[in-house]
Amino acid sequence: GQNIDQPTEMTATEGAIVQINCTYQTSGFNGLFWYQQHAGEAPTFLSYNVLDGLEEKGRFSSFLSRSKGYSYLLLKELQMKDSASYLCVSGNTPLVFGKGTRLSVIA
Amino acid sequence: EAQVTQNPRYLITVTGKKLTVTCSQNMNHEYMSWYRQDPGLGLRQIYYSMNVEVTDKGDVPEGYKVSRKEKRNFPLILESPSPNQTSLYFCASSLTGFSNEKLFFGSGTQLSVL
Repeated sequence: GQNIDQPTEMTATEGAIVQINCTYQTSGFNGLFWYQQHAGEAPTFLSYNVLDGLEEKGRFSSFLSRSKGYSYLLLKELQMKDSASYLCVSGNTPLVFGKGTRLSVIA
Repeated sequence: EAQVTQNPRYLITVTGKKLTVTCSQNMNHEYMSWYRQDPGLGLRQIYYSMNVEVTDKGDVPEGYKVSRKEKRNFPLILESPSPNQTSLYFCASSLTGFSNEKLFFGSGTQLSVL
């Protein structure tokens, strides 16, 4: 079956680092996406990993281990505007969406 | 500006009254898709289209219709809306629909069916 697991909620402090984990069991895997979604707004693309390893993009980094079916999104120097849901999405056909992790950044 | 335009942003209607949510993209994308998002369930695909006149069912197509007569437009039609179709709807597009392409989403339509 197709399944993606990620924590429902997380809380972190402004200026800190937070890691959002995602595990997946999907057939026909073709990479893994992370999207950011502010409440009531559209998801926006953050990252795409198809090879194992860490990809860094400013304050955000994403990691993939295909052998372990595992990915994480790392957010550094957290800001209040980072409060949002983060969706882990498996690049299958069709795409498989995780339910999202709601991150609250507190002062 | 490259974008997916979705209208209306908010819609309140009554059971059984036909409605259409419009979606248009200006990026010459071949692939378009509709999703609904409900608390605790995440995004679920309703219908998708790989190109003009080609549409296919997603995970939750019951009660919905779509059409793709032009490349840029992909309207979602609810012939006889019911309260269980109250949800937040998103239209999305990508260049060709390959699974390694990022999606561009519209701003969403919050639908309430009374």
